Amino acid sequence: NAGVTQTPKFQVLKTGQSMTLQCAQDMNHNSMYWYRQDPGMGLRLIYYSASEGTTDKGEVPNGYNVSRLNKREFSLRLESAAPSQTSVYFCATRAGTEMKKLFFGSGTQLSVL
Amino acid sequence: GQQLNQSPQSMFIQEGEDVSMNCTSSSIFNTWLWYKQDPGEGPVLLIALYKAGELTSNGRLTAQFGITRKDSFLNISASIPSDVGIYFCAGGATNKLIFGTGTLLAVQP
Repeated sequence: NAGVTQTPKFQVLKTGQSMTLQCAQDMNHNSMYWYRQDPGMGLRLIYYSASEGTTDKGEVPNGYNVSRLNKREFSLRLESAAPSQTSVYFCATRAGTEMKKLFFGSGTQLSVL
Repeated sequence: GQQLNQSPQSMFIQEGEDVSMNCTSSSIFNTWLWYKQDPGEGPVLLIALYKAGELTSNGRLTAQFGITRKDSFLNISASIPSDVGIYFCAGGATNKLIFGTGTLLAVQP
């Protein structure tokens, strides 16, 4: 019972490189989210997907794209990484509409040099 | 973007001590949630609050939804070393969740 699985766990990129962060869930949840976590700041929502086939911008979407490949998978892509995107990225899923039912993955630590 | 003010930023306490932290906002929320994040892991929900004035416990943890709906506090009694981590509050309104800046708790055995 893996829950929410994020890969990779760590990544170092050079400015301008691209990469995709993967998220997969086995809980059959409709909603999936990408957050970033920076020191001294709360988690900030980048993008979310309320259901398969739909995606919407969150609070800080610039520089990112997402794909809801199917119900299980929601990927986050950095087309041209910048140092300001150095952060810890968390994927989360939610069961139903209750806010308390938000489950987080263990995070991807990304450094952009 | 909107953020919640969470205090204190960090706490360094001895095992057995009680801990109190709080979150305040200029906005009204319908839901207050408290999460704990262990090193290298994602946040895990501790307590969810849905009504102004509500007081809810989860073992040694107690949280309250402020009467004004603009604040919440979390108390931990008789702290133990495994309480170490970062504690986040989150306020919910309609379909939006806003996270606090976190309180780092260190517990010395």
